[in-house]
Parts: sequence; C-alpha cells; structure tokens
Amino acid sequence: AQKITQTQPGMFVQEKEAVTLDCTYDTSDPSYGLFWYKQPSSGEMIFLIYQGSYDQQNATEGRYSLNFQKARKSANLVISASQLGDSAMYFCAMREFLRVGSQGNLIFGKGTKLSVKP
Amino acid sequence: DTGVSQDPRHKITKRGQNVTFRCDPISEHNRLYWYRQTLGQGPEFLTYFQNEAQLEKSRLLSDRFSAERPKGSFSTLEIQRTEQGDSAMYLCASSYIPGLAGGNEQFFGPGTRLTVL
Repeated sequence: AQKITQTQPGMFVQEKEAVTLDCTYDTSDPSYGLFWYKQPSSGEMIFLIYQGSYDQQNATEGRYSLNFQKARKSANLVISASQLGDSAMYFCAMREFLRVGSQGNLIFGKGTKLSVKP
Repeated sequence: DTGVSQDPRHKITKRGQNVTFRCDPISEHNRLYWYRQTLGQGPEFLTYFQNEAQLEKSRLLSDRFSAERPKGSFSTLEIQRTEQGDSAMYLCASSYIPGLAGGNEQFFGPGTRLTVL
C-alpha cells in the first residue's frame, strides 16, 4: 500500500490565485513528520514546510501553509498568491520516527506538477 | 557553506561499467542520505549514514550498489556492472539530527543524472 498519495498529477492555477495541492498519508506510527518539497526543472529538491504529528497548529512559511487534518490523514499544501516561479513539481513526504528500520528516510509521493498561468 | 554538492552532475556510461558518485554534505550535518529518482516518480530511499555508520539500507540497494562515508564527511555511492535500469537521478541529502527523532528537514543536492547505454 502506498504510504503517501498525491492524487493530482497536474494542476493549473492563475497567477496571484491560491492553490491547494493534496496529500494523504498512511502510517501506524504515532510519531511522524510530514514535509513538502518543490522540485523545479533544474532538479534540486527545495524544502518548503514541515508539520509534526504532535504539532497543534498548522505550519506556515511565508506563502506556504499546510492544512493538517490528522484524523483524515491529510496534509495538503496551500500556496497563496501564486507566482510564475512557483511552476514546478511538488512532492509530499513523510518520515516515521518510531518504526524500527524506518527512522531515517523520507517516503515520497509521486508528486504534482503545478503550472502557474500568467 | 553553500549547501550539499554532488559530483558529477551528469554521467553517461555503457552497460557493465562501474560508476562512482560523490556527495559533500553541509559541513555540520551528521546525517547523509542517498535517494534514487526515476522519471515521473518521487525520490526513493536507498541508504543513510549517521556520521560514518551506515544505519539503514533499502531493499532497492542490490549487491551491485555500495555506499561509504569514511570519516563521517563526504560519501560515495558506487554502482558496479551498471544496467540500463540503473538510469536515474541519484540524489544526496543531509540533515542535522541531535537525537534519534526530530523533524529536521533534509537538504538536497542537485543530483547526479546517470544514463546507462
């Protein structure tokens, strides 16, 4: 079973509009972290935002916010006021902190390609 | 320090040849990770080090793959007897973990794109 599911292969958004990229996850580990990364066409993975499973508040970083709904196991990324430079692949990832043998690595989804239209 | 660096950025090789990639992490980071990314997929974990100790290996890491991190600084990933299926982007990342748990993000390098002909 997939641990990270991103159901939107591609998304379009008008410049200056907000957009939500979906991510659902599956884990039995009570302690985990959720990450969003941006990968432009150059290939480098750029960290955007982090949410811990015990964090009470939704994480925010500038124009990025994470809509964390723990009971639904979803961690959607919201980008406000989209810019042309936001066009890229976006990956949701999870790290399980307690499961033996899986404390180090990130588990990634397949990504969503965001295209910002002028 | 300008971040995680990887060398080479691109490598083209013939099937059956050996290749070696290098990763230099951010200097104060004690953890180093290797991932592989194929076209249209997210990165897949291969292995990671804490300092010089290799703590975890994915089943994706066949016997033809070996990784080292001597002295806990840079790391090398070697692929022996390359196959066409090894063609992918190989990403290195580093992070600083003060303990066993923690949400510290991983910082990625630009990757090495391997093409096996």
